[in-house]
Amino acid sequence: NAGVTQTPKFRVLKTGQSMTLLCAQDMNHEYMYWYRQDPGMGLRLIHYSVGEGTTAKGEVPDGYNVSRLKKQNFLLGLESAAPSQTSVYFCASSSRTSGWTQYFGPGTRLLVL
Amino acid sequence: GNSVTQMEGPVTLSEEAFLTINCTYTATGYPSLFWYVQYPGEGLQLLLKATKADDKGSNKGFEATYRKETTSFHLEKGSVQVSDSAVYFCALSVFTGGGNKLTFGTGTQLKVEL
Repeated sequence: NAGVTQTPKFRVLKTGQSMTLLCAQDMNHEYMYWYRQDPGMGLRLIHYSVGEGTTAKGEVPDGYNVSRLKKQNFLLGLESAAPSQTSVYFCASSSRTSGWTQYFGPGTRLLVL
Repeated sequence: GNSVTQMEGPVTLSEEAFLTINCTYTATGYPSLFWYVQYPGEGLQLLLKATKADDKGSNKGFEATYRKETTSFHLEKGSVQVSDSAVYFCALSVFTGGGNKLTFGTGTQLKVEL
């Protein structure tokens, strides 16, 4: 039981490049979330999903897209990376069976030059 | 909207000292309250939670009581250890059709020295 995993762990991009961050969970959770963590700002919700095939915007969605084609996977895409997207990205999942507790992945550190 | 305010760090303590990290919140509805901990280089782990007023969450010697009258959820530990050094986040969630989206405070870094 791996819980929530994220790939890659670290990535450097140039401005304008694109990339996809992958989140996978093996707990059969319905809900999945993407957050970004910036110094002095805590974690902020980017997008979330309440089930396979559904996604919704969070607090800071601009510049990001997401997809949930399979229940266990939640992808976060950056179409044209900007230096302001330099951050640490965390994925989380939850369900009624988890008491709605969110379980977090180890994070992806992204540097945009 | 919902918001969480917690004391700024870093907080530096000697081993075996008493710890308090203050957390207050504003929320619509009836929130659940959480403390998450982040050790260096790792993701967030749930430390404890409380789902209704007057509930006390506890884990690994840490405690926090849900105080509706003061809208607070302060984290306490009677005797900290070096291994408790981490960043602590207070958070709340109000369940909606979008699940239990979390609203986080900015985090408080704790450093425990010998």
